Amino acid sequence: GDSVTQTEGQVTVSESKSLIINCTYSATSIAYPNLFWYVRYPGEGLQLLLKVITAGQKGSSRGFEATYNKETTSFHLQKASVQESDSAVYYCALSSTNSGTYQRFGTGTKLQVVP
Amino acid sequence: GPKVLQIPSHQIIDMGQMVTLNCDPVSNHLYFYWYKQILGQQMEFLVNFYNGKVMEKSKLFKDQFSVERPDGSYFTLKIQPTALEDSAVYFCASSLYGGLSYEQYFGPGTRLTVL
Repeated sequence: GDSVTQTEGQVTVSESKSLIINCTYSATSIAYPNLFWYVRYPGEGLQLLLKVITAGQKGSSRGFEATYNKETTSFHLQKASVQESDSAVYYCALSSTNSGTYQRFGTGTKLQVVP
Repeated sequence: GPKVLQIPSHQIIDMGQMVTLNCDPVSNHLYFYWYKQILGQQMEFLVNFYNGKVMEKSKLFKDQFSVERPDGSYFTLKIQPTALEDSAVYFCASSLYGGLSYEQYFGPGTRLTVL
């Protein structure tokens, strides 16, 4: 079935340093699923950070970006310079015809940005 | 932005009792979802609901589970009777449309503890 695998556990980055959170996907039901990054800040619900529905394209939001790479089946999240306010849990997700209208999520990666 | 509310934020209940989790979706949204996340695991789809009917459900959506949204009020998830393995955080989501690329808006979750 369809699945998403992302960097597990917690990632700690110093403020102003660069970030990459890895995400790879497997979509057995459709060649090119839609890919998403969500973020959850403490005490809040998941928020869509960015989405890309076309292979080869890049999505960006709030300084974050992710490129839909169909060759490597990856959708890594990157940011050139993180801030303390970026501390949150990040989820990679996909939707495809196999999962219908719902989305399949990774386990989440907790980002801790330290001064 | 649009917010999904969930009530209560935390519920503790004895095994075998009934529990109802409430979701107040975004006001003009038409599609509603429940997801379940056990501590340390991925968030998993339970069910989606449109036009008064369950559209899709996963194998996690046991016979003891039911959903409804009477007269456009709360979208509810009822578990009767509860079991120990129902302990998890339950997330409600809503979307305006049901297509693969449409954003789902998530609530902050209800933590259910079954004793």
